[in-house]
Amino acid sequence: GAVVSQHPSRVICKSGTSVKIECRSLDFQATTMFWYRQFPKQSLMLMATSNEGSKATYEQGVEKDKFLINHASLTLSTLTVTSAHPEDSSFYICSGMVNTEAFFGQGTRLTVV
Amino acid sequence: EDQVTQSPEALRLQEGESSSLNCSYTVSGLRGLFWYRQDPGKGPEFLFTLYSAGEEKEKERLKATLTKKESFLHITAPKPEDSATYLCAVSPYNNNDMRFGAGTRLTVKP
Repeated sequence: GAVVSQHPSRVICKSGTSVKIECRSLDFQATTMFWYRQFPKQSLMLMATSNEGSKATYEQGVEKDKFLINHASLTLSTLTVTSAHPEDSSFYICSGMVNTEAFFGQGTRLTVV
Repeated sequence: EDQVTQSPEALRLQEGESSSLNCSYTVSGLRGLFWYRQDPGKGPEFLFTLYSAGEEKEKERLKATLTKKESFLHITAPKPEDSATYLCAVSPYNNNDMRFGAGTRLTVKP
């Protein structure tokens, strides 16, 4: 299957700072990538759809000014959590599509202290 | 509204004890139903895609089936290494995103 690489795998940051998470498609080009959030023992919740060369589409209730998405190339999408707060602590996962199948990154565990 | 419900929430099996996981769904036109395996602290790992009712796919001890309203993931003679959370997701015709169920947390004891 296709490979999606996500970095960092873990990050701890202070409240009020910003954190950038990278998602790369290593062996395919991804015009669209998806960003999910997952709380402990819960399922993945779609946050936004990242479109190469255009603005991201955010799900209802997701603040686009807080979760900045940039998809500047066909192999890289980034999610920046701005002015992070403890309630933003979560597991963030990206995915890219190959035909109709989604392949996921390893996930990023964000802890805001 | 597209919905995915998985049951049971958690399942504990003895090694070798076969069972099935259920995924019930409602979607406005099914493009595909997906099964993933997720280990703690990791991203989901792709298992199967099913596109139409009656379709079945197998991989080692796992077999996925699909009807118009639900999908089953059958696990035959499971081993401890099959312990994981199994996620079901649907993708509707009108877009590429996926809606996930809450998952079934499977524990296989030796």
